[in-house]
Amino acid sequence: SSELTQDPAVSVALGQTVRITCQGDSLRSYYASWYQQKPGQAPVLVIYGKNNRPSGVPDRFSGSSSGNTASLTITGAQAEDESDYYCNSRDSSGNHYVFGTGTKVTVL
Amino acid sequence: QVQLQESGPGLVKPSQTLSLTCTVSGDSISSGGYYWSWIRQHPGKGLEWIGNIYYSGSAYYNPSLKSRVTMSVDTSENQFSLNLSSVTAADTAVYYCARDLTAWGVFDYWGQGTLVTVSS
Repeated sequence: SSELTQDPAVSVALGQTVRITCQGDSLRSYYASWYQQKPGQAPVLVIYGKNNRPSGVPDRFSGSSSGNTASLTITGAQAEDESDYYCNSRDSSGNHYVFGTGTKVTVL
Repeated sequence: QVQLQESGPGLVKPSQTLSLTCTVSGDSISSGGYYWSWIRQHPGKGLEWIGNIYYSGSAYYNPSLKSRVTMSVDTSENQFSLNLSSVTAADTAVYYCARDLTAWGVFDYWGQGTLVTVSS
């Protein structure tokens, strides 16, 4: 299967840690990347590769992977982290991409 | 700073062809190392990769849309384009163009997106 499955929604108390997971067979072969999307805006890349952050992304964002599951962790969540988060990777062919179903993160 | 900007009609009639262009600034499409992608998002839904194209014209399309999608590139204008034929209301979405950092398989720069509505 080329699908990537995410929990629809998670909540986290301000300042606490939240982990968002992404499951799919292709993750056994390819790293996931993670995107943050706020309402009415384009997605923004926050994590890629083993655990790489583009310039400007706070270091409270980190990534990890094990087997068919990739994870995005926000350590010390801030109010501005309240967003939709999508994982993404190549599919089993390696030539196409697939996005996860998305997770809405609420910061309480 | 790399910037991408989508342009095209915001309203397309059913059965017609949706045509969008993405203009890139701050980088040359023909510099290599990147594919250039189209991604869409149905209202209130998740992201769907449509396909990508290299400056040489080599392209890959989402298998679920392959029969209706054609992409092209104009290196002289630093633009790439999307044509989606035989559209229906199900093709109503925000369409994004993005730079595809191929070595990593990630989309590092995105356009702001353009809403295309399919309606008569």
